[in-house]
Amino acid sequence: GAVVSQHPSRVICKSGTSVKIECRSLDFQATTMFWYRQFPKQSLMLMATSNEGSKATYEQGVEKDKFLINHASLTLSTLTVTSAHPEDSSFYICSSVAPSEETQYFGPGTRLLVL
Amino acid sequence: LAKTTQPISMDSYEGQEVNITCSHNNIATNDYITWYQQFPSQGPRFIIQGYKTKVTNEVASLFIPADRKSSTLSLPRVSLSDTAVYYCLVVPISGGYNKLIFGAGTRLAVHP
Repeated sequence: GAVVSQHPSRVICKSGTSVKIECRSLDFQATTMFWYRQFPKQSLMLMATSNEGSKATYEQGVEKDKFLINHASLTLSTLTVTSAHPEDSSFYICSSVAPSEETQYFGPGTRLLVL
Repeated sequence: LAKTTQPISMDSYEGQEVNITCSHNNIATNDYITWYQQFPSQGPRFIIQGYKTKVTNEVASLFIPADRKSSTLSLPRVSLSDTAVYYCLVVPISGGYNKLIFGAGTRLAVHP
């Protein structure tokens, strides 16, 4: 299957700082990527749909000014958690679709801990 | 998007066959049934996808009755490494580009 990577895999930051998470499609071009958040023992919750060359589409209740998404190329989408607070600590996962397969493939996730 | 219902948890032993059933009563004509597996601190991994009858790959089998209102993921001869959360999702056929809505999933524990 297609390969999606994320960087970093883990990050610890101080409250009030911003953190950028990268999502890359390694062997295909992705016009659309998705960002999810997962709290411990809970399911994945879709945050937003990232569209190459246009604005992201956010799910209800997700603050677009806090979770900035940029999809500047067909292989890279970034999620920036601005002014992070301890309640933003979570597991962030991206996914994308390999055009020839129509199956969503997920990245390995990024563990964010805000102190 | 059709809602799915699956057991919260299941227990099994090494070498047994495990069947996880998912209900999707409101599935639409153009919906596929897709299963993902997730280990702790990892992203979900695609297992299998089907539309009707039976689909089999090297990892699992997926059984879908004629009315398509439910489906069963079958894992043959599980091992300890199959301990994970399994998610059943219903996705429109055109729909790799559609957002996925995850339910609670089934937490499978395989015991020695």
